[in-house]
Amino acid sequence: DVVMTQTPLSLSVTPGQPASISCKSSQSLFYSNGKTYLYWFLQKPGQPPQLLIYEVSNRVSGVPDRFSGSGSGTDFTLKISRVEAEDVGVYYCMQSTQLPRTFGQGTTVEIK
Amino acid sequence: EVQLVESGGGLVQAGGSLRLSCAASGFTFSNFWMSWVRQAPGKGLEWVANVNQDGTDKYYVDSVMGRFTIKRDNAKNSLYLEMNSLRAEDTAVYFCARDGVPLWLHWGQGTLVTVSS
Repeated sequence: DVVMTQTPLSLSVTPGQPASISCKSSQSLFYSNGKTYLYWFLQKPGQPPQLLIYEVSNRVSGVPDRFSGSGSGTDFTLKISRVEAEDVGVYYCMQSTQLPRTFGQGTTVEIK
Repeated sequence: EVQLVESGGGLVQAGGSLRLSCAASGFTFSNFWMSWVRQAPGKGLEWVANVNQDGTDKYYVDSVMGRFTIKRDNAKNSLYLEMNSLRAEDTAVYFCARDGVPLWLHWGQGTLVTVSS
């Protein structure tokens, strides 16, 4: 199975400041069709996860442009350019290049 | 509007069985692969299983292989997860989610399964 490792596991950020979460996979997520199936989700308390970024860097419609995804191969990053109060929650990376689909452990983001 | 509504969760003894349902609306259900994803209390997310459009192709995480069966009824716009030989470690909120591009844009609110030992 592909192991997804997120760092840090928790983050305390001052509103208006940037934040960055790293996600490393144990194998390359590059697929033979040229795509890389790396996703970012945010889960707020009591809610299902919500998709933020798909295939490394594609922002879902309606997701603020302060969220961006980058990376390739085995190293990926989610950046929030200016954290807002509504961004609190647990962020997960997930790969679907190989079955079983696997998630990172989650990164809890809180506001200082 | 896409809606996914899970039901069927509850308290069951270890070794018992449960059948979860996911009612889909707002899209052509038969056009999409569907998945089950679970989350143990206070823990992270785990993909459980998925099924193709006509129900003939199914995949499972190793930990549920041989105990869980994913099914669908396109006439009823419904997805199911039949769970047998339940264990304490199967205790979780179970979400259904729609595959597609992008993957898992739509999720249900989840249904809680509690397995007592």
